[in-house]
Amino acid sequence: SQTIHQWPATLVQPVGSPLSLECTVEGTSNPNLYWYRQAAGRGLQLLFYSVGIGQISSEVPQNLSASRPQDRQFILSSKKLLLSDSGFYLCAYLLAGHQETQYFGPGTRLLVL
Amino acid sequence: SQKIEQNSEALNIQEGKTATLTCNYTNYSPAYLQWYRQDPGRGPVFLLLIRENEKEKRKERLKVTFDTTLKQSLFHITASQPADSATYLCASEGGTALIFGKGTTLSVSS
Repeated sequence: SQTIHQWPATLVQPVGSPLSLECTVEGTSNPNLYWYRQAAGRGLQLLFYSVGIGQISSEVPQNLSASRPQDRQFILSSKKLLLSDSGFYLCAYLLAGHQETQYFGPGTRLLVL
Repeated sequence: SQKIEQNSEALNIQEGKTATLTCNYTNYSPAYLQWYRQDPGRGPVFLLLIRENEKEKRKERLKVTFDTTLKQSLFHITASQPADSATYLCASEGGTALIFGKGTTLSVSS
């Protein structure tokens, strides 16, 4: 069976500091990977998705970037955090060949002060 | 553009009653709709998927319907329990990723 991990679970960072959130998936190969941000009252906002190593598509231009250095690793980064980057960040995957149901990680709560 | 709307932000019901949540879609015809449950501070968890050619699907106390004429899906929880309290998200195909509604927060009081 598959599992998805995210860390850290909670993060408090000052404005202007860098960010690195990590997501890893176990038990499957070549999944589609996704980063979402969830803000109160705004639902799930798709930030990035990846269909393979080194392949990143951005849905919303902003202060963040993503990378996929390995098949089952997805990283969300920022060089300088803004107050508006605060939120709940969720990583999700789609099984290869099953392009319907997404499975989400436990999330990272980011607070930028 | 494709839109998924869950009109009710919150729904409060008493234990034992049936909860009914609504999901409407506009500007497209999805091949399927999905429902997820999200608890506070946790990631969404997949519950049910219903395809456009299926009128109804059941899983234990859960029932989902898909009405392509009304462009609507209804999500029912029968004999609701306080443990069913959570936010429920509707989602549909959106090309590269799913499109999610904003969710309906269900509160079941004992």
